[in-house]
Amino acid sequence: GENVEQHPSTLSVQEGDSAVIKCTYSDSASNYFPWYKQELGKRPQLIIDIRSNVGEKKDQRIAVTLNKTAKHFSLHITETQPEDSAVYFCAALDSSYKLIFGSGTRLLVRP
Amino acid sequence: SAVISQKPSRDICQRGTSLTIQCQVDSQVTMMFWYRQQPGQSLTLIATANQGSEATYESGFVIDKFPISRPNLTFSTLTVSNMSPEDSSIYLCSVGGGENTGELFFGEGSRLTVL
Repeated sequence: GENVEQHPSTLSVQEGDSAVIKCTYSDSASNYFPWYKQELGKRPQLIIDIRSNVGEKKDQRIAVTLNKTAKHFSLHITETQPEDSAVYFCAALDSSYKLIFGSGTRLLVRP
Repeated sequence: SAVISQKPSRDICQRGTSLTIQCQVDSQVTMMFWYRQQPGQSLTLIATANQGSEATYESGFVIDKFPISRPNLTFSTLTVSNMSPEDSSIYLCSVGGGENTGELFFGEGSRLTVL
């Protein structure tokens, strides 16, 4: 079955700097890769996703890249703000249409 | 996206008891899932709730411990049976955003603490 690994587990950046979170997946048949943001005590919220027919997608300060050959995908946040502080989860859709999540990255943006 | 309501939002339970969590969606959805999030951990899929048939459980989860109902396309329940402190978690109902699209939206979660 699908296995998703996520790094780093924690990330601390200065406000205004960029943050990058990386994930790898094992099932080459996976074709959908969402990213979720979970603030303390709240539900995970979908922030951006990418499908395997594209290599990059951007939405304002957030971008996701996908390397199908290497089975890597990454989340890039530019010009980080304190409100970006949260736990971020990557995920991959397996061949049974179930989302398998990475272990999460706790991002802290220092003012 | 669908509006997903879960209740209870939180509860404190005694060891050995059972608790049923309800999930109501404001529109008909085909795909409905139950996830568990243990303290400080990621989301783990418990089962897929199938309308009109038995739920499909993931490895490590069994029907006797986590019975699930899905009587129609807008409602599901998850029961956590014979609870122990290890069952203290957030339980999240989630629904698919579209047929086989993979998009998933979550309810607010039910935070259970077992004493």
